[in-house]
Amino acid sequence: EAGVAQSPRYKIIEKRQSVAFWCNPISGHATLYWYQQILGQGPKLLIQFQNNGVVDDSQLPKDRFSAERLKGVDSTLKIQPAKLEDSAVYLCASSWDRGYTFGSGTRLTVV
Amino acid sequence: AQSVTQLDSHVSVSEGTPVLLRCNYSSSYSPSLFWYVQHPNKGLQLLLKYTSAATLVKGINGFEAEFKKSETSFHLTKPSAHMSDAAEYFCVVSALMNSGYSTLTFGKGTMLLVSP
Repeated sequence: EAGVAQSPRYKIIEKRQSVAFWCNPISGHATLYWYQQILGQGPKLLIQFQNNGVVDDSQLPKDRFSAERLKGVDSTLKIQPAKLEDSAVYLCASSWDRGYTFGSGTRLTVV
Repeated sequence: AQSVTQLDSHVSVSEGTPVLLRCNYSSSYSPSLFWYVQHPNKGLQLLLKYTSAATLVKGINGFEAEFKKSETSFHLTKPSAHMSDAAEYFCVVSALMNSGYSTLTFGKGTMLLVSP
């Protein structure tokens, strides 16, 4: 089966600019996650969707981050405006019945 | 609530010697536990997982881990290290949250260094 697809792979932006990341999960996986992995740290959950509804966004900085999963399939994560500390790898994962699959991630550098 | 503590930020071994990466977890419900490996500039790769079946779990590349409920531990071991094992390792817990859904919580990672 195809894996979790993410794009772009790399993005460099200036602070205060906006950026969007895209994720296409494995077909049939109802649960989708966005994680932020800062260099040297473990991934941190930003938001979790069940189909197209949000079940956990407690660690999402809602003043600048937003995410949606229209129609319960693809998802986008947006940052507006970006800060230097947002430099990280953004990982998308999907799951079904305790099986989790991660995408390769988008590496964001904010300069 | 759930959490994971990886007891060592760095572990150094010589090639051919045993590997032990330590992990303790906390979970309000019966957890599933995972070990992931991440090589430099690569994605996360699943090594093994425990989901309430046998407490000794065998994974890929000769790794195994033992679930010990009484000690709330899930340590990762390998009898003989290989140079290609040098990477960062993450212990991960998944348990039912108050939302009614399961989520993954990662430890901070252990960097495994293997010397010739």
